[in-house]
Amino acid sequence: GAVVSQHPSRVICKSGTSVKIECRSLDFQATTMFWYRQFPKQSLMLMATSNEGSKATYEQGVEKDKFLINHASLTLSTLTVTSAHPEDSSFYICSARDLLDLQPGYTFGSGTRLTVV
Amino acid sequence: AQSVAQPEDQVNVAEGNPLTVKCTYSVSGNPYLFWYVQYPNRGLQFLLKYITGDNLVKGSYGFEAEFNKSQTSFHLKKPSALVSDSALYFCAVAHTGTASKLTFGTGTRLQVTL
Repeated sequence: GAVVSQHPSRVICKSGTSVKIECRSLDFQATTMFWYRQFPKQSLMLMATSNEGSKATYEQGVEKDKFLINHASLTLSTLTVTSAHPEDSSFYICSARDLLDLQPGYTFGSGTRLTVV
Repeated sequence: AQSVAQPEDQVNVAEGNPLTVKCTYSVSGNPYLFWYVQYPNRGLQFLLKYITGDNLVKGSYGFEAEFNKSQTSFHLKKPSALVSDSALYFCAVAHTGTASKLTFGTGTRLQVTL
């Protein structure tokens, strides 16, 4: 089945630094990838939708300059948290849709636990 | 706008008993409906989805869900719960359309005890 690899699984960084999270579709091509944020004991909140070769579409309230998304190829999307602060600490999850999947299917990465100290 | 409601924060079931995790949705037009399970510090694992066709959908690990259009519900069920089913369950909806985004419910924690 479809597999999405997300790295790193866990990262601790100092306040003010930037962190890059990668999301790769391993055995399929994904024109669209989604980035979610999950706070403890809460649901997943969609941050942005990234389409290969074009600018990401951000949800209302998400800072574009803070959460940089790049979708340079059909198998890779990256989320960079710039100038991270403790309030950015969260669980970030990506998902991808198979280009060839005629029925909608969303495969999720295993998530990244970001802790900003 | 589309939305999902999971009215129960937690469901407690004894092992061997049937379980139901409730989900209702709101979306314009025909919905795509999904159930996912999440274990601690992990991503979401796909359980099942309803796209079209039979209202009863069978998925992974013995789970099933019934699409009820009149009640706008998509409850998750399993005839006999296992302790290993204990996890966080999310219902999600997408509007029929290409690359449409998923909207998640708030999640229901299932606790199965011996």
